[in-house]
Amino acid sequence: KAGVTQTPRYLIKTRGQQVTLSCSPISGHRSVSWYQQTPGQGLQFLFEYFSETQRNKGNFPGRFSGRQFSNSRSEMNVSTLELGDSALYLCASSWGSGTGRNNEQFFGPGTRLTVL
Amino acid sequence: GQNIDQPTEMTATEGAIVQINCTYQTSGFNGLFWYQQHAGEAPTFLSYNVLDGLEEKGRFSSFLSRSKGYSYLLLKELQMKDSASYLCAVYNTDKLIFGTGTRLQVFP
Repeated sequence: KAGVTQTPRYLIKTRGQQVTLSCSPISGHRSVSWYQQTPGQGLQFLFEYFSETQRNKGNFPGRFSGRQFSNSRSEMNVSTLELGDSALYLCASSWGSGTGRNNEQFFGPGTRLTVL
Repeated sequence: GQNIDQPTEMTATEGAIVQINCTYQTSGFNGLFWYQQHAGEAPTFLSYNVLDGLEEKGRFSSFLSRSKGYSYLLLKELQMKDSASYLCAVYNTDKLIFGTGTRLQVFP
């Protein structure tokens, strides 16, 4: 079974630009969550999508948005990039939404975004 | 507010036992996860606790006390490949909240 894939793996942008990151979940998984990982803050929850609907959202500005398609693939968009947006962006997929022993999240390798 | 605390760094010797502690204060609790993350790689699932007590899985064990808001991850018979960051995460009412992680270095 293929794992979670994310594209691109590396990205360099300049301030003010926008960026779109893509995540393909494990086949059969319907939930995709996005996280931002920085050395000082650790992993911070951005949002979760389940069956094309945003279920939850973290404490990030409106410049961060996402969506999920009918095949469960998800995209995350960041507009008007700032230097502080430089981070590793991870997506994780799970079979269902919510917690539980059988609903662990499987992480992709991440997209490393550098904003100059 | 939501708060999850772990030590920033720990060191240990190959073959030894190490305990990584995690304390949490969250608005809700629906389970606690431990993940391992090697440098430059994705986090991988290690354990899940929702009831008090010890869960053992090979060389790794995880303990939970909900009344104390406390968990630990115990790694036995340490190997060099166990050098990694260990992330404690609590599922509160509707999302996973991660601690900043504990970077473990195992020396020969």
